[in-house]
Amino acid sequence: AQSVTQLGSHVSVSEGALVLLRCNYSSSVPPYLFWYVQYPNQGLQLLLKYTTGATLVKGINGFEAEFKKSETSFHLTKPSAHMSDAAEYFCAVSDQGNTPLVFGKGTRLSVIA
Amino acid sequence: GAVVSQHPSWVICKSGTSVKIECRSLDFQATTMFWYRQFPKQSLMLMATSNEGSKATYEQGVEKDKFLINHASLTLSTLTVTSAHPEDSSFYICSGGTSEQYFGPGTRLTVT
Repeated sequence: AQSVTQLGSHVSVSEGALVLLRCNYSSSVPPYLFWYVQYPNQGLQLLLKYTTGATLVKGINGFEAEFKKSETSFHLTKPSAHMSDAAEYFCAVSDQGNTPLVFGKGTRLSVIA
Repeated sequence: GAVVSQHPSWVICKSGTSVKIECRSLDFQATTMFWYRQFPKQSLMLMATSNEGSKATYEQGVEKDKFLINHASLTLSTLTVTSAHPEDSSFYICSGGTSEQYFGPGTRLTVT
């Protein structure tokens, strides 16, 4: 069975500071990995995904994540936080494109002016 | 990417009534779609797998007689919450796709 652990239910950073949201996964097969963002009372927006190929994945809004198989990690980073980045972030894993995703519990990102 | 729509986006119903939520794949055919539930300030949990032309499969702990799923065509899956209760109030999200999953915008259900 697959699982996702997001370290830190709440992360607070200053505007302009580095954003680092941690995600570790467990999967018995090569994983598909995802990061989603969710703003209050809205649906999910895909930030980036890893399926195969390059392990450093660049997404929207300046976010990127690196797949590290040896560490079973897929941490999300952004060099400089913006106020508009304040939201809930979910890491997710699946084993194929046509299978359901398993989500982590989410990390709430706060950005302080 | 492909588009998945849901209708309605928000519904309020009285306790004891039933409500139907539609999930449509607008530009692809989906033999399988997935339904998730998200309680306030929690993560998404898979409820059930909707299979076109056959019965849905439900995750452990999800009442199949309460959450009726119908997948009558390759572009439409419906979730009916029967005899809704306040504890069914939640955000319901569907997804579909073959090479990757595309999520609908979600339906917020409030049961009063």
